[in-house]
Amino acid sequence: DAGVTQSPTHLIKTRGQQVTLRCSPISGHKSVSWYQQVLGQGPQFIFQYYEKEERGRGNFPDRFSARQFPNYSSELNVNALLLGDSALYLCASSLRLATEETQYFGPGTRLLVL
Amino acid sequence: RKEVEQDPGPFNVPEGATVAFNCTYSNSASQSFFWYRQDCRKEPKLLMSVYSSGNEDGRFTAQLNRASQYISLLIRDSKLSDSATYLCVVKKGNTPLVFGKGTRLSVIA
Repeated sequence: DAGVTQSPTHLIKTRGQQVTLRCSPISGHKSVSWYQQVLGQGPQFIFQYYEKEERGRGNFPDRFSARQFPNYSSELNVNALLLGDSALYLCASSLRLATEETQYFGPGTRLLVL
Repeated sequence: RKEVEQDPGPFNVPEGATVAFNCTYSNSASQSFFWYRQDCRKEPKLLMSVYSSGNEDGRFTAQLNRASQYISLLIRDSKLSDSATYLCVVKKGNTPLVFGKGTRLSVIA
């Protein structure tokens, strides 16, 4: 079975631009979460979706938005990019939201903002 | 205070050595605990869950002390392939994973 897939793998943007990152969860998984990992830090939670509804939001500005589609894939949008948005953006999927559910990460999208 | 704190590292150890990583967490309501491994420029991958009774998976042993809010990972007989960043992760209920900054391990031949 395919794991979590993300596209694109790499992206270079300039300040002020907008970016859309895409994620396809493992088949059958209904929950998708987005994390941002800047160099030298652990991943930081951005959004969590389950059954197409937002179930959690991290401490990120309104420039960050996301959605989940009927097929459970997800998009993360970032507007008005800043240099500090340069990071590895990770998508993780799990079957459900339950405490014991393991989250499986995709390979990430590496975003560089110039 | 950060929610999850780890030894900063890096840890540089020879092959065959035993190495231990420590982690503390601040939220006493945390219910689930994990160690993830992250190779350079790759995504984090679950190494093992951590249970109150302690658990072992081959050369890896994880311990949890809820009273001290402390988690540990012990790697015995280190291999070159163990070189990676090890992330301590906690979770409360259905909330998202909370990661530490990670501890970098380099196993040297």
